[in-house]
Amino acid sequence: QKEVEQNSGPLSVPEGAIASLNCTYSDRGSQSFFWYRQYSGKSPELIMFIYSNGDKEDGRFTAQLNKASQYVSLLIRDSQPSDSATYLCAVIGGNMLTFGGGTRLMVKP
Amino acid sequence: DAGITQSPRHKVTETGTPVTLRCHQTENHRYMYWYRQDPGHGLRLIHYSYGVKDTDKGEVSDGYSVSRSKTEDFLLTLESATSSQTSVYFCAISEAPTQGVEGYTFGSGTRLTVV
Repeated sequence: QKEVEQNSGPLSVPEGAIASLNCTYSDRGSQSFFWYRQYSGKSPELIMFIYSNGDKEDGRFTAQLNKASQYVSLLIRDSQPSDSATYLCAVIGGNMLTFGGGTRLMVKP
Repeated sequence: DAGITQSPRHKVTETGTPVTLRCHQTENHRYMYWYRQDPGHGLRLIHYSYGVKDTDKGEVSDGYSVSRSKTEDFLLTLESATSSQTSVYFCAISEAPTQGVEGYTFGSGTRLTVV
């Protein structure tokens, strides 16, 4: 059983701070990793994917992957109240995504 | 959500009745998925399809069946609904899930309540 683990939170950060979201996975053979954002009552939307060790930046978002330690993280710089949502980590295995339970982020003005 | 619609959006049904949820896509994507989302469990895969009439089970498939007779439609059936199947159900589509860049596109979800 492939597992993807996330701290459920809530993670509370002040506006303008850096939010750091972490995820660990059990399948050492996993190749591609995704971060989805889900607002309350809405469907998940893809914000980042990463498949190489190291950092990948897209605007205020940075995904970090460390395959040796089997963790992937998402940094959100200059956090805004509109970033308040649940962030889901997902790992591709075969032709399907396995999701973590999500971390709820709260950005306080 | 563009290109993928789920129906109904909300449904209340009684224990023991059959229920069918529909997912319709206009993207002509090969892969379609049904997930359920529950507090504390995240998104869990029920069934998925990799082509017309080609389906496979996910981690929580007991009590569910699926059918895909056309590329655009993927149906999820609860044969005899139970209260444990009260959940939010999401359909997702993908053309090339292992390619990474695309990920999945999700439908808006169906909130099912079994009383």
